[in-house]
Amino acid sequence: DVKVTQSSRYLVKRTGEKVFLECVQDMDHENMFWYRQDPGLGLRLIYFSYDVKMKEKGDIPEGYSVSREKKERFSLILESASTNQTSMYLCASSRTSGSTTVHNEQFFGPGTRLTVL
Amino acid sequence: AQSVTQLDSQVPVFEEAPVELRCNYSSSVSVYLFWYVQYPNQGLQLLLKYLSGSTLVKGINGFEAEFNKSQTSFHLRKPSVHISDTAEYFCAVRRISGGYNKLIFGAGTRLAVHP
Repeated sequence: DVKVTQSSRYLVKRTGEKVFLECVQDMDHENMFWYRQDPGLGLRLIYFSYDVKMKEKGDIPEGYSVSREKKERFSLILESASTNQTSMYLCASSRTSGSTTVHNEQFFGPGTRLTVL
Repeated sequence: AQSVTQLDSQVPVFEEAPVELRCNYSSSVSVYLFWYVQYPNQGLQLLLKYLSGSTLVKGINGFEAEFNKSQTSFHLRKPSVHISDTAEYFCAVRRISGGYNKLIFGAGTRLAVHP
C-alpha cells in the first residue's frame, strides 16, 4: 500500500513564526503536491514538484515556499505565518509516466490542521 | 482553465435512501473526472474515475457516476446509503494532455446520513 505521512496532525503557531510542514511518501513517486483545504473552497493547489529540486507554483503560492531535496520528502514552508494561513494542509503524491495522457492516481496523506494565532 | 462546481454544499439523507451528489465542470480541453471521499479526520480517498470508455463508472462502496459530455456533468449516485457513508465528497477534473497530473477540485459536498 502507498503510504503518505505528514509530520503533524495538529499544529499551533504564532503570527510571524516560520513554519515547516513535512510530507514523506514511501512509493518512489516522482510527483508530490501540497494543497490547502478550506470550508466552501475545497482543495486548492499551493505548489507541486515533479522531481527532486524541481517545483512549480500552483494556484495559491503566495506566502508559501517549498523544498524537495530528496525524492521521498516534500516540505511546505510558511516564511512568516499569518492568521489567514490557518487551514488544513494536505500532501499528495503520484507516479509519473512517459505519456502525459496517462493518469496516475494521487495518494493523499491524513492532513495537518494548522492554527495560526 | 478548468473549474468544478458542486451544486450542493450539504446533502442530508436518511439511511437506505438513494442519493445523488451533483457535479458540473467547465473546460476548454478534454478532461478526466474523479470523485474523492474524505471521512472525518482523514485524507482523501479515490472513489471512482472516468478516463474513457463507458460513461457509467462504478467505484468503491457501491457508488457510481455518469459522465455526460453534453451537459458537462459527472453526478455521483448510490441507490441505498449507510450511516458509514457520512463524509465529504469532492469532484475533481484533470486535463487529459499535460499538466503534471494536476487536479482541480470542487468545493465539496457534505453528505450526512441519518438513522
